[in-house]
Amino acid sequence: DTAVSQTPKYLVTQMGNDKSIKCEQNLGHDTMYWYKQDSKKFLKIMFSYNNKELIINETVPNRFSPKSPDKAHLNLHINSLELGDSAVYFCASSQDLRRSFVGYTFGSGTRLTVV
Amino acid sequence: AQSVTQLDSHVSVSEGTPVLLRCNYSSSYSPSLFWYVQHPNKGLQLLLKYTSAATLVKGINGFEAEFKKSETSFHLTKPSAHMSDAAEYFCVVSTGGGNKLTFGTGTQLKVEL
Repeated sequence: DTAVSQTPKYLVTQMGNDKSIKCEQNLGHDTMYWYKQDSKKFLKIMFSYNNKELIINETVPNRFSPKSPDKAHLNLHINSLELGDSAVYFCASSQDLRRSFVGYTFGSGTRLTVV
Repeated sequence: AQSVTQLDSHVSVSEGTPVLLRCNYSSSYSPSLFWYVQHPNKGLQLLLKYTSAATLVKGINGFEAEFKKSETSFHLTKPSAHMSDAAEYFCVVSTGGGNKLTFGTGTQLKVEL
């Protein structure tokens, strides 16, 4: 069973389109995240949700909108895609903030290519 | 503020020789520190973590790391490299609310025959 699953694995789309990436975790974790990995492999947090509540929102264009329908899902919607959005997007989850933090479980990533 | 510095962007070793990947951290509070590995076109896998228990941490696949507060270091080592260890390795620090992870820029490990 996949612990953190993202779909799609690959996404190629044209500039100006709107696209979504879905993430689901079956670990019972309360906190979920989106990270972006650029072409130099640098990873940076974008968003974090705890029990459907937004708790981290880094400096990300408002074309990016996360949505968490329940604590097991955190989707990422991107409007008006730009060339610079091309990257690998990783979803992750972790245990509740009030418990000992032992790290994330990451999904396998979604490689987004904007042409 | 928290940050990590991975001192080498590329490390090349021969199979069977020791591996040393260096990491220094900066944190205002007691940090939690991690090493993650990313194989080509794959996701991130947790190798090991330090969360204020024993300073010598053993991880998967024979890797270990030692937390040295006086040196603000958390270097990753392995006694004998295997071809399958070739990957990108990330040193990561976590402090503060939100369990936000701050990643280093990565070290690419190459293992040669």
